[in-house]
Parts: sequence; C-alpha cells; structure tokens
Amino acid sequence: AQRVTQPEKLLSVFKGAPVELKCNYSYSGSPELFWYVQYSRQRLQLLLRHISRESIKGFTADLNKGETSFHLKKPFAQEEDSAMYYCALILTGGGNKLTFGTGTQLKVEL
Amino acid sequence: DAGVTQSPTHLIKTRGQHVTLRCSPISGHKSVSWYQQVLGQGPQFIFQYYEKEERGRGNFPDRFSARQFPNYSSELNVNALLLGDSALYLCASSLGVTGTYEQYFGPGTRLTVT
Repeated sequence: AQRVTQPEKLLSVFKGAPVELKCNYSYSGSPELFWYVQYSRQRLQLLLRHISRESIKGFTADLNKGETSFHLKKPFAQEEDSAMYYCALILTGGGNKLTFGTGTQLKVEL
Repeated sequence: DAGVTQSPTHLIKTRGQHVTLRCSPISGHKSVSWYQQVLGQGPQFIFQYYEKEERGRGNFPDRFSARQFPNYSSELNVNALLLGDSALYLCASSLGVTGTYEQYFGPGTRLTVT
C-alpha cells in the first residue's frame, strides 16, 4: 500500500534561516504529490502541487522519483510560515483521494 | 461563498451510540470527500462521493457510512461508536474527482466518544 513519511514531527528554525521539510513516499507508480498547510485556527489548505512546478509564498518542492522524495524548501523562513505542513499523494488513477503523511510542525523563531 | 461548512462543530457521544455529521460543499462543487484525523496523525480518507454516487471508500469498518444528497451536501454516519472513533472529521469538496481538481477543506467536526 502507498505510504507518505514525514520523519520530523517538529522543525524549529530561526527567522531568515533556510527551511527544508522532508517527505518520502512509497508507491511503485507515478503519484501526484502535494503539500498542504494548516495555519493556526485555519483550515487545511493546498500550498502547492508538483505538477504545477510553481513557487507559493517562497516555497518550492521538487519531485525526485529516484529517491521517492518531495521535500518542501524555502530559502529564508518568515515568522508567518509557522504552521503544520502535510505532504500528500494521489495514486495514478486514484481520483483525488489523498493519502497524507503525519505532518511536520514548523516553528519559526525570531 | 463561506467555503465548505460542517456541522456540528463539536460533539460528545457515548460508546455504542450513533452519530451523524453534515457537510455542505462550496457552491458548484459536486464531489465531497470525508477524512478522519486522529490526534497527532494526518487525515485518513474515509469516503468520496460524486454526483450522489460513492466513488471511493477507505479502510474503515462498515459502521461508517455516508451519502450525498441532490444538493450535493453529504452526511457521514457512524454506528456503534468506539472510543477510537474520537477524532476530527474533515469534509472536503471539489469540482471533480481527478487530481486536477483541488480539494477545499471544511473546519471539521470534533467528535469525542466517552
């Protein structure tokens, strides 16, 4: 069965430092990968998806099929980036049923 | 548009009871999905409905059921509640059922089973 692994439950960085949130997946096919974010007291929302290859709020993520990874990166963390981040995938032919990782809490300290 | 709405916000039930959770999708969205989020875990897929038909079911027991109404709103029903059913139940709506379509999540219903 497919699985999404986020090894860090909590990641704490200083403002202005680079951020990398790790995500690995196990699936033999070609999934679609996503990052979702949940800010304090807000709903879960889509941050970015790999097929769009765009940068949102300064975040980027590259799909590495060889390493089955989809790490989320930002060169300079901002205080407003503090949130819960979930990596998720959709299987090929799986409609839009999302399989989520356990999430990483990002805390940006001043 | 207020986005996806869910009711109730919070709910406390006793083991063995039944519960019904409700979801109203964004106007124009024909697909509704349900997810269970246990504390400390990511959301786990339960059901997806599109045009009132079930399009997917996650690995949940038959105590869990759902339906979608002609106005595309949806209900999630859980029978014979167990302590382990305590979780945040999320509803998400989308225009369609492929990965092209972004899912928009509601605020969730917090269910506590005592």
